[in-house]
Amino acid sequence: AQSVTQLDSHVSVSEGTPVLLRCNYSSSYSPSLFWYVQHPNKGLQLLLKYTSAATLVKGINGFEAEFKKSETSFHLTKPSAHMSDAAEYFCVVRLMDSSYKLIFGSGTRLLVRP
Amino acid sequence: NAGVMQNPRHLVRRRGQEARLRCSPMKGHSHVYWYRQLPEEGLKFMVYLQKENIIDESGMPKERFSAEFPKEGPSILRIQQVVRGDSAAYFCASSPEVSSYEQYFGPGTRLTVT
Repeated sequence: AQSVTQLDSHVSVSEGTPVLLRCNYSSSYSPSLFWYVQHPNKGLQLLLKYTSAATLVKGINGFEAEFKKSETSFHLTKPSAHMSDAAEYFCVVRLMDSSYKLIFGSGTRLLVRP
Repeated sequence: NAGVMQNPRHLVRRRGQEARLRCSPMKGHSHVYWYRQLPEEGLKFMVYLQKENIIDESGMPKERFSAEFPKEGPSILRIQQVVRGDSAAYFCASSPEVSSYEQYFGPGTRLTVT
């Protein structure tokens, strides 16, 4: 079965410092992985996706993620946090069955201190 | 190109009433997914529909919940005889084809049952 585990429910950083949001996946074959961001009372926005091309994936707003098969990880990073990055972040795997539905992690709430 | 549209954005129902949530996919998209987000949790898959067909409803509660995507008009998620536990945010996503790597999310409908 495919699943994702987000290792931290909350992450707090100071503005201008690096961001690391951790995600591990479980899959019996090469997965399609995504990071989505959800600002308070808003919908979901796709940050980036991994679809078996380059292992280092660049997304919007300066975020990137690296797919590491040996570690079954897909951690999200950003060199310098901005106040506007405060939000909920979801690591997501896409099922490779006939529906291709998305399986969401439990989410990591990112707090950015001034 | 307008994004995925959902209405209403907020819906308040008393216990025992019916809730009808509507989703208009992006133009040219014929695949619709419904997800539910309970408070402080990630999104959970409910149902996947194509025009006039339910393809995968493995995430739908067995009773009171139904979904449709008619040939004309929006997709409808219907909840009969709502209970407090149905209070959640319901998100719709659409994609142009089932194997598309991206699902585009609407802003969600926040259902409150009093």
